[in-house]
Amino acid sequence: DVKVTQSSRYLVKRTGEKVFLECVQDMDHENMFWYRQDPGLGLRLIYFSYDVKMKEKGDIPEGYSVSREKKERFSLILESASTNQTSMYLCASSLLPGSSGYTFGSGTRLTVV
Amino acid sequence: SQQGEEDPQALSIQEGENATMNCSYKTSINNLQWYRQNSGRGLVHLILIRSNEREKHSGRLRVTLDTSKKSSSLLITASRAADTASYFCATDYTGANSKLTFGKGITLSVRP
Repeated sequence: DVKVTQSSRYLVKRTGEKVFLECVQDMDHENMFWYRQDPGLGLRLIYFSYDVKMKEKGDIPEGYSVSREKKERFSLILESASTNQTSMYLCASSLLPGSSGYTFGSGTRLTVV
Repeated sequence: SQQGEEDPQALSIQEGENATMNCSYKTSINNLQWYRQNSGRGLVHLILIRSNEREKHSGRLRVTLDTSKKSSSLLITASRAADTASYFCATDYTGANSKLTFGKGITLSVRP
């Protein structure tokens, strides 16, 4: 089974801190995605990547950046954390864009205080 | 927004009953997928149906797709308490660079 591992289940950070959320997948998937999930808003796409060193903005990229130096690892960076970035962050990977399901990690619940 | 919409927002049924959940979307799609999320966890892929398919089955799950009505249904037969979760439809819109767009989800409660 494909595994997508997110480094932290719960994280508490202070306003203004630089925050790194790490995601690693172990099945050689080309495509990786970062979503945030908020009550009443569902899942919203922040950034995605179809290849190493490639990144594209999703629907809500403001305040975030990403890094994909290796195929298996896709990092989400909050340059200067703010309270409105308190959320559940979900990483996902897939083999073929649009032709196979996504495999999600367990999520990181980030609280910015 | 191209976000799909699920209906109802919440559903409560007795164990053994069938659960039907609906999803509507706005523009043409390559495929539509259903996911389940247990409380506080990541999403789990359940089933994918392509735009040229009308029905798919997987165990107790049955998914239908009506592209003329831009809608899909997920049927869970003989529900169990363990089916209690949130269910999401996700659409791969044509021309959307193969990114999935998720709905807001349906909360299903199955009473023992």
